[in-house]
Amino acid sequence: AQSVTQLDSHVSVSEGTPVLLRCNYSSSYSPSLFWYVQHPNKGLQLLLKYTSAATLVKGINGFEAEFKKSETSFHLTKPSAHMSDAAEYFCVVSEGGGADGLTFGKGTHLIIQP
Amino acid sequence: EAGVVQSPRYKIIEKKQPVAFWCNPISGHNTLYWYLQNLGQGPELLIRYENEEAVDDSQLPKDRFSAERLKGVDSTLKIQPAELGDSAVYLCASSLAVGPTNTEAFFGQGTRLTVV
Repeated sequence: AQSVTQLDSHVSVSEGTPVLLRCNYSSSYSPSLFWYVQHPNKGLQLLLKYTSAATLVKGINGFEAEFKKSETSFHLTKPSAHMSDAAEYFCVVSEGGGADGLTFGKGTHLIIQP
Repeated sequence: EAGVVQSPRYKIIEKKQPVAFWCNPISGHNTLYWYLQNLGQGPELLIRYENEEAVDDSQLPKDRFSAERLKGVDSTLKIQPAELGDSAVYLCASSLAVGPTNTEAFFGQGTRLTVV
């Protein structure tokens, strides 16, 4: 069985400072991992994905994530936060190698302070 | 290129009434998903279609929920009768099957249902 735990329900950072959103996963097989972002009243948008290639994955809008098998983690980072980054972020695991059987975390609400 | 289109965006109904949601996936995407998202939670899969076949409907409450994807393109999700606890956002997504796996899922904006 697969599961994902987002360690923080809310994260608040100042504009221009680094962002770290933490995610741990559990999977019986080599998983695919995704980060999605959801802005208010908008659909879910894919930020980046890991599918067993390079462990450091670069996504859109300056975000990146590192797959660490030994720690079963897939934390999302960004060097410098922008006001437009304020949104809900979901870490997602799939044992199917793709979009089959996606399991979402509960989400982390990112707040950007001016 | 148009993304996944859902309608309506918002729906308010009284309990025990029926309701239907419509989804048009990205052109060429043969896999279609319906997800349920409660407030403050991540989406949960209700049903997944490969073309017109429902390949995973284990989480669909079949006593009141039904779905169809005629001709393997657009899809409708129906609730009859609706209950207060059905108030949530209903998300549709689509993806392209490449061999045995699917690429990432692309989501619509969702339908926010309020049952009063």
